[in-house]
Amino acid sequence: GAGVSQSPRYKVAKRGQDVALRCDPISGHVSLFWYQQALGQGPEFLTYFQNEAQLDKSGLPSDRFFAERPEGSVSTLKIQRTQQEDSAVYLCASSFPRGELFFGEGSRLTVL
Amino acid sequence: DQQVKQNSPSLSVQEGRISILNCDYTNSMFDYFLWYKKYPAEGPTFLISISSIKDKNEDGRFTVFLNKSAKHLSLHIVPSQPGDSAVYFCAAFGGSQGNLIFGKGTKLSVKP
Repeated sequence: GAGVSQSPRYKVAKRGQDVALRCDPISGHVSLFWYQQALGQGPEFLTYFQNEAQLDKSGLPSDRFFAERPEGSVSTLKIQRTQQEDSAVYLCASSFPRGELFFGEGSRLTVL
Repeated sequence: DQQVKQNSPSLSVQEGRISILNCDYTNSMFDYFLWYKKYPAEGPTFLISISSIKDKNEDGRFTVFLNKSAKHLSLHIVPSQPGDSAVYFCAAFGGSQGNLIFGKGTKLSVKP
């Protein structure tokens, strides 16, 4: 498709489970971003890639969160040993450098 | 500390009237500002942007104004339509950050 694609759209996990969220950016977009959006809040920055290089991971809330983009295209956000406070919508976006971000529809994670 | 602030969580406007959404920022290094619109269960979609070298940018019914000395920007929608009802996020790029910083959003309701 032409837009940013995220999967799964919805994920329910038991506390302590590991989850992996996938993002397919727009073809040719160099920059890829992950944001976390809690209910009633704006998107909060997690991490940012330029091609395969992770340039900024200052927003990752703990070492349970890990992101990769090994070939500079598809990215995976992994959350280990999920906790209830991890419940949120995880948004992926891609762009040309310093251009407007195009967002996917998000992956809604619910941790029970 | 929030670098991008949207102090009004909600706004209600009559169809046909003007909607004015406000945003303040604290980081003087920000040099590019964007507005995003978000419907429920969808990712944010880009609406309009403005560079810090301008004070106004217009696109159809949408106009963004930037007052750098006050570190304030606003989005004007005129005339407002019921389909404009959504959450609007103000966001900023700049300084040492390669990522976009978002405000918490303002929920706009346009009543027929």
